[in-house]
Amino acid sequence: QKEVEQNSGPLSVPEGAIASLNCTYSDRGSQSFFWYRQYSGKSPELIMFIYSNGDKEDGRFTAQLNKASQYVSLLIRDSQPSDSATYLCAVNKRTSYDKVIFGPGTSLSVIP
Amino acid sequence: GAVVSQHPSWVICKSGTSVKIECRSLDFQATTMFWYRQFPKQSLMLMATSNEGSKATYEQGVEKDKFLINHASLTLSTLTVTSAHPEDSSFYICSARRRARTEPSYEQYFGPGTRLTVT
Repeated sequence: QKEVEQNSGPLSVPEGAIASLNCTYSDRGSQSFFWYRQYSGKSPELIMFIYSNGDKEDGRFTAQLNKASQYVSLLIRDSQPSDSATYLCAVNKRTSYDKVIFGPGTSLSVIP
Repeated sequence: GAVVSQHPSWVICKSGTSVKIECRSLDFQATTMFWYRQFPKQSLMLMATSNEGSKATYEQGVEKDKFLINHASLTLSTLTVTSAHPEDSSFYICSARRRARTEPSYEQYFGPGTRLTVT
């Protein structure tokens, strides 16, 4: 089992719809979870982080965390064509130090 | 968000030469910096974790003698690709960690990346 898994997509949604991105992780000791957006040829950009079970909202973005199910998701409301990008889920992994492991990313395409 | 810079943004070098990439956190102190490599259409692969004032911790399969990392200060880490070969051509991205201000967590910010092409 990979440490962080995501559907590779591509996920296509019409403009104005809700895009739902999912991520599962294997390390039950993980405590911090991150969502990044990466445009082609660019480096990742932090969208949100979450560490408590439940929902965390920031503008059009909502992160949801369920540690019992080892599941974290990102909802994008009122999707815009500019949201088209690859979304990377990242999870901290505790070893002798904290390091962040990235999932393979989900490609999102918002159709005008 | 916090600002992390990288220099150079792109570099072309000949096989056998060495290339140094700098990563700076511009508006915060980063006790930990990370170096990633990303090949086209693939996810980020963590190469090493760099802590200020101590030796870097390399991930399995990453040659520490080939990818030299120095974290000289709380705002600067460097990656030197020694004796570069065409297969080292990739997108190298650094990131710096900052404690989150309101939660007992941390945030990790990425530099813009350095595209290395070895001919």
